[in-house]
Amino acid sequence: DGGITQSPKYLFRKEGQNVTLSCEQNLNHDAMYWYRQDPGQGLRLIYYSQIVNDFQKGDIAEGYSVSREKKESFPLTVTSAQKNPTAFYLCASSASRTGATGELFFGEGSRLTVL
Amino acid sequence: AQRVTQPEKLLSVFKGAPVELKCNYSYSGSPELFWYVQYSRQRLQLLLRHISRESIKGFTADLNKGETSFHLKKPFAQEEDSAMYYCALNKSGGATNKLIFGTGTLLAVQP
Repeated sequence: DGGITQSPKYLFRKEGQNVTLSCEQNLNHDAMYWYRQDPGQGLRLIYYSQIVNDFQKGDIAEGYSVSREKKESFPLTVTSAQKNPTAFYLCASSASRTGATGELFFGEGSRLTVL
Repeated sequence: AQRVTQPEKLLSVFKGAPVELKCNYSYSGSPELFWYVQYSRQRLQLLLRHISRESIKGFTADLNKGETSFHLKKPFAQEEDSAMYYCALNKSGGATNKLIFGTGTLLAVQP
């Protein structure tokens, strides 16, 4: 089954702990993205990567970190510095890093709850 | 600043009634606009893009630069249209799909 796989679907953590969310894609896409979805706020871009070993901050990168060591993988770490980490996190990918088409392919999401 | 505004959190209509989901944007350049949809228990997915000028599942959307709007319309709503709809903006000529999303409108089609 091709697409974007996010894990885990649900995650509970204590305040002050770092958490890493996994995102894997087998679509051979160059670009990958992390969005945060909060009620009433839509989707906000955290980080994105256009190519392996390169990534850029999005609109709300503070308190988050990413890596892109492999084309297929783009994990997101929610650090203890993130003031309000409880949210629904969506990973996405797109085919071309040159020439935007606007089509993102999304995962099913990971819901993080910090207790 | 670039922004996408969807003024309605919830739109409830009866089956067979016309639907219009509103989207306004602010962007100084020439924008590319999209509608994404998320059905219950499914992933967020692209519905249509303004460049294609296409009709998908009976939905159309016209870019109105004068009113900076990209409203999504369907003449006769069906129950299976019930979903969350997001309007999104991308910078024209950009090298990546760095989309800005609106806050979304939940469409509920009543039988």
